[in-house]
Amino acid sequence: QLQLQESGPGLVKPSETLSLTCTVSGGSMSSNSHYWSWIRQPPGKGLEWIGDVFYTAKIYYNPSLRSRVTMSMDTSKNQFSLKVNSVTAADTAVFFCARRRRAAAGRGGFDYWGQGTLVTVSS
Amino acid sequence: DIQMTQSPSSLSASVGDRVTITCQATQDIVNSLNWYQQKPGKAPRLLISDASNLEPGVPARISGSGFGTDFSFTINSLQPEDAATYYCQQYDDLPITFGQGTRLEIK
Repeated sequence: QLQLQESGPGLVKPSETLSLTCTVSGGSMSSNSHYWSWIRQPPGKGLEWIGDVFYTAKIYYNPSLRSRVTMSMDTSKNQFSLKVNSVTAADTAVFFCARRRRAAAGRGGFDYWGQGTLVTVSS
Repeated sequence: DIQMTQSPSSLSASVGDRVTITCQATQDIVNSLNWYQQKPGKAPRLLISDASNLEPGVPARISGSGFGTDFSFTINSLQPEDAATYYCQQYDDLPITFGQGTRLEIK
């Protein structure tokens, strides 16, 4: 059974960089059928897609965050990572990592999710 | 960006009722539409992919339909465990976008 687990600091100071890692177990990230994604959800609000990374290291970012976000992956460790720089209180959210199925390989959709990790931006 | 508008934002229904949530896209997304259920403190769960395909393990009283810009999500014979927030999500074009969510309360 595939499992994803987010890890990283739960508290980040304003203007600093938020860094999270997602560790994938029970399967390989080297799949041409899936993207590996980050999604965030501010407290009490809806879901926002941050970006996808593909096993070829191709990365797709949400333009709304593109200037502050960096994603990467390490297939040897079965991990992918997220960095958001120059954070403000508006970046306080639960961050989820997830697997997204490529539509070209079958059905679309985020089919596996991590449990989510709350990151609070505060001094 | 493709905007997804769900309706209603919230609803309350009784056990055994049938409820329908709609989702409208600002442009044609063919059938590139998924539906999720999210309970408090939990990650979303994929229920329906490609507008109408039920995911494994999802009860058959849940269904989805639609094509182009207008989609619907229906739960028949509502159960207490259906209390949750439901989201639609399009993947026809990047950035991937979600509806604002529909909160379903069981009376």
